[in-house]
Amino acid sequence: DGGITQSPKYLFRKEGQNVTLSCEQNLNHDAMYWYRQDPGQGLRLIYYSQIVNDFQKGDIAEGYSVSREKKESFPLTVTSAQKNPTAFYLCASHSGTRDGGGELFFGEGSRLTVL
Amino acid sequence: GQNIDQPTEMTATEGAIVQINCTYQTSGFNGLFWYQQHAGEAPTFLSYNVLDGLEEKGRFSSFLSRSKGYSYLLLKELQMKDSASYLCAVLDSNYQLIWGAGTKLIIKP
Repeated sequence: DGGITQSPKYLFRKEGQNVTLSCEQNLNHDAMYWYRQDPGQGLRLIYYSQIVNDFQKGDIAEGYSVSREKKESFPLTVTSAQKNPTAFYLCASHSGTRDGGGELFFGEGSRLTVL
Repeated sequence: GQNIDQPTEMTATEGAIVQINCTYQTSGFNGLFWYQQHAGEAPTFLSYNVLDGLEEKGRFSSFLSRSKGYSYLLLKELQMKDSASYLCAVLDSNYQLIWGAGTKLIIKP
């Protein structure tokens, strides 16, 4: 079945360590997104990519990095520069067409805790 | 700036009807989405409105008034499993989604 797979679902890290969250989709979607969600808050955009080998910063890109070498994959690295990385991270994809009516598909999320 | 407002929390009784409002001020408008999110899970799609009026889908309906910058999600015959957060999101002129903070809906027996 088509969908988005995020891994790991739970991740613990020590301060000062970089970690990479995986996001893979087999929906043939052009656009992919990374969001961060803190308790009781809405979704905040970290990075997005509309096409392979291109990506744009969202509202809270500092301390994060991404790559888009393949259409199916959009990994997110949380670097040691991110001062408060404990959060729920969501990857999403969209067909990318400008009709705007397409559903945004989400992965199951990755919960990162810094010890 | 861009802004989406929703009530933080609402409480309703099982079997009743509840209306969750969403007002928005965005740079352009290309549609409004409603998503449901259970605690610790990813959001799931409920509805999309781009034209004024009411869209009905089973127990859930969504209404849009573009001139008023206003939408609501109507949930009928509430069930305990409807306890969740409901997120309103607007697609702006750059086709970026602007998210509200969500409304936590608590259903009581």
